[in-house]
Amino acid sequence: AQTVTQSQPEMSVQEAETVTLSCTYDTSESDYYLFWYKQPPSRQMILVIRQEAYKQQNATENRFSVNFQKAAKSFSLKISDSQLGDAAMYFCAYFLPGTYKYIFGTGTRLKVLA
Amino acid sequence: NAGVMQNPRHLVRRRGQEARLRCSPMKGHSHVYWYRQLPEEGLKFMVYLQKENIIDESGMPKERFSAEFPKEGPSILRIQQVVRGDSAAYFCASSPPAGGSYEQYFGPGTRLTVT
Repeated sequence: AQTVTQSQPEMSVQEAETVTLSCTYDTSESDYYLFWYKQPPSRQMILVIRQEAYKQQNATENRFSVNFQKAAKSFSLKISDSQLGDAAMYFCAYFLPGTYKYIFGTGTRLKVLA
Repeated sequence: NAGVMQNPRHLVRRRGQEARLRCSPMKGHSHVYWYRQLPEEGLKFMVYLQKENIIDESGMPKERFSAEFPKEGPSILRIQQVVRGDSAAYFCASSPPAGGSYEQYFGPGTRLTVT
């Protein structure tokens, strides 16, 4: 069964600095999707970035980028120039085509220090 | 284009009562998914529905929980005889009929508190 592991329950970063959130997953499949979601105190799930496993190029969205290491089954999120509004829970998620469900990790709480 | 709508946003029930959570998918979306988020945990899949059909309910507890998505109206997640352990945030997501279930859009969630 597929699993997603986020080993950092909490991280802190100084405003304007860079932080990397870790995510590893376990799968025997070769074609799948990976996601990072942000959940602020409002609890709304906000898609930050998506990566298709067949793409070797790492996805980037403005200040957010991923380091996708398929062989190592690692999918970390880098946030550059951190802002106070980035403070939230961040969830890594896995999706296997042909199934219907996202599999989420347990989340990393990111604190941004002014 | 309005996003996924869920109501109520907050629901308080006493033990033994019934809870009904509603979800209106995005316009044009015919696939609905329900997830549950227990405190300090990630979201866990409960059920996947298309109009008038339950496609996958492998994540639903066997008792007290049911879901429907009628031809007209919102999808409903019903929890009968609620217990304290049902306190959680319940999220609905929807996806378009074509393009694959990987593209799920989440609603704001309903926070259920059982007293």
